[in-house]
This record gives sequence, structure tokens and C-alpha cells, in this order.
Amino acid sequence: AQSVAQPEDQVNVAEGNPLTVKCTYSVSGNPYLFWYVQYPNRGLQFLLKYITGDNLVKGSYGFEAEFNKSQTSFHLKKPSALVSDSALYFCAVRSNTGFQKLVFGTGTRLLVSP
Amino acid sequence: DGGITQSPKYLFRKEGQNVTLSCEQNLNHDAMYWYRQDPGQGLRLIYYSQIVNDFQKGDIAEGYSVSREKKESFPLTVTSAQKNPTAFYLCASSIVPGQKSNTEAFFGQGTRLTVV
Repeated sequence: AQSVAQPEDQVNVAEGNPLTVKCTYSVSGNPYLFWYVQYPNRGLQFLLKYITGDNLVKGSYGFEAEFNKSQTSFHLKKPSALVSDSALYFCAVRSNTGFQKLVFGTGTRLLVSP
Repeated sequence: DGGITQSPKYLFRKEGQNVTLSCEQNLNHDAMYWYRQDPGQGLRLIYYSQIVNDFQKGDIAEGYSVSREKKESFPLTVTSAQKNPTAFYLCASSIVPGQKSNTEAFFGQGTRLTVV
């Protein structure tokens, strides 16, 4: 069965510094990986997705993600954090069996301080 | 303006009542989903539908029911059998994953249900 792990409940970073939000996955076959962001009392907004062959994926709002097959990771990164990036971030993997549902991690809260 | 509309944004339910959460999309997506979000647990799939008049149970379907009479609409009923219904409910839609596995899902703004 597919699964996603986000090992950090919260990540703290100062504005202007680079940020990384970690995600590791487990799935048989080709992984289909996604990052979403959620602001308080709002739905999830799509940030980016892994496309086969591109180990560095660029997405919305200056975010990017690095795919590492050997480490089964798909970490979210941004070179310079903004206070407005403070939110809850979810990594997700789509299963490749049956209906191919999206399976989400437990989320990582990013707090960017001024 | 394309997207997914969930209503109401906030909903209060008395013990023993059934309540229905609305979800409408104008993205022409065949697949629709309902997720439940609880603090620290991520999103858990309640029900999903790939086509009109067909739907399947997800991981936590007990105490919930759905219908899919129209492509655009996928209402969720939280029944009195759901013992702990207080949560944030999210509706989503997408192209059917079997057609394009790397397709992303689009989410509504959510409904916060509280039992009073």
C-alpha cells in the first residue's frame, strides 16, 4: 500500500532564509507525487507535482520540489521564505492500483518569522 | 469562474441529526471526492465517485452517505450513526486518475461541522 510520511510537525524559519519541508513516500511502481498548501479554514491549494524525468520541479509562489528516487523523497523547497508562506503543507502520493486515490501525509506547519 | 463550491462554510448539528454538506463543481471533472480533516491526522478519504450514479467507499465511510445524480454535484450526508462528526470536510474533483495518473485534484474551501 502506498504511504507518505512528513516527519516534521512544524518547521520554523526566518524570513529571507531558505526553507525545506520534508516528505518521503512508499509506493510500488512509478510515483505520482504532489504538494498542496492550506491556509487557515481554507481548502487545499495545489502547489506542484512530480513529472517523470524532472528531478527538480518548479511550482507556484516560488516553491520547488526535489525528487530523489534512491531516498524515496520529494522535499519542498523555497530559496527565500516569506512571512506569507506560513501555512500547513501537505505531501500526497497517488496510488497506482485500483482507483489510484490520493493519499496524504499528516501535514507540516510552516512558520516564517519576520 | 471555474472551481468547486462547498456550502455552508460552517454547520452546527445537534446530536442525532442528519446533515447534508453541498459540493458543486463546474470543472467538468468526472471524479469527485470527500475528505475529512482532523488535526494531526491529515486528510482521510470518505467516499469517491468516478461517474454519475456510481460511488465507492473510501477509508472511513461509516456514518456517511453520498449521492451522485449529476456530474456537477456530490453531496455528503453525515448521519446520526457517525459518532464523532466534528471535523473539517473537504470536497475535491479531478480528471479520473486512470486517464492521467499525474493529474492533481482541486479542492473546495471546506465546511466546518460542529456537533452542539
